[in-house]
Amino acid sequence: GDSVTQMEGPVTLSEEAFLTINCTYTATGYPSLFWYVQYPGEGLQLLLKATKADDKGSNKGFEATYRKETTSFHLEKGSVQVSDSAVYFCALLGSGGYQKVTFGTGTKLQVIP
Amino acid sequence: DVKVTQSSRYLVKRTGEKVFLECVQDMDHENMFWYRQDPGLGLRLIYFSYDVKMKEKGDIPEGYSVSREKKERFSLILESASTNQTSMYLCASSKGHPNTEAFFGQGTRLTVV
Repeated sequence: GDSVTQMEGPVTLSEEAFLTINCTYTATGYPSLFWYVQYPGEGLQLLLKATKADDKGSNKGFEATYRKETTSFHLEKGSVQVSDSAVYFCALLGSGGYQKVTFGTGTKLQVIP
Repeated sequence: DVKVTQSSRYLVKRTGEKVFLECVQDMDHENMFWYRQDPGLGLRLIYFSYDVKMKEKGDIPEGYSVSREKKERFSLILESASTNQTSMYLCASSKGHPNTEAFFGQGTRLTVV
């Protein structure tokens, strides 16, 4: 079945550092890929998405490129802020049958001033 | 804005009680989902529904049931709550066509004592 593997956290960075959170997936067909963010005490919010190979999703300075050849969707940001501290989830939506979203285990990011 | 509303942010219930978690969405979405979120395990799908009165088991349905009598409302039922069901429960909804993201409620933190 579908699965998502993302790097373990927590990740601690200084403000203005470069961020990469790795995500790889296993799925049949052509899934859509997502990054969600969860701020403390809140539900998940969509951060960005990509629906086909080589698509780049971007939002709020975050980017991720759908790489089918390496089955990856790594999240990057050039300069993190304290306000980016949150838990980040990589997820995929399978291309067949019911529209079930499969999530990774989440990566907690802490940005210190 | 899409809104997914969960009826309670925090609940404390006793072992053996029947527990109802309610979720309402206001965007006429076809799909609705219940996940539980636990540290180190990410989000795991309990049940989902793609239409009124239709339901499908997710990855961890044991000990749970669901009800969807109206399109906008999806209820999660713990028939006899146990301490291992202490968790954060997240409801989500999405439109019933490909490549669309899920929208999440703020979560219900359930403690079973």
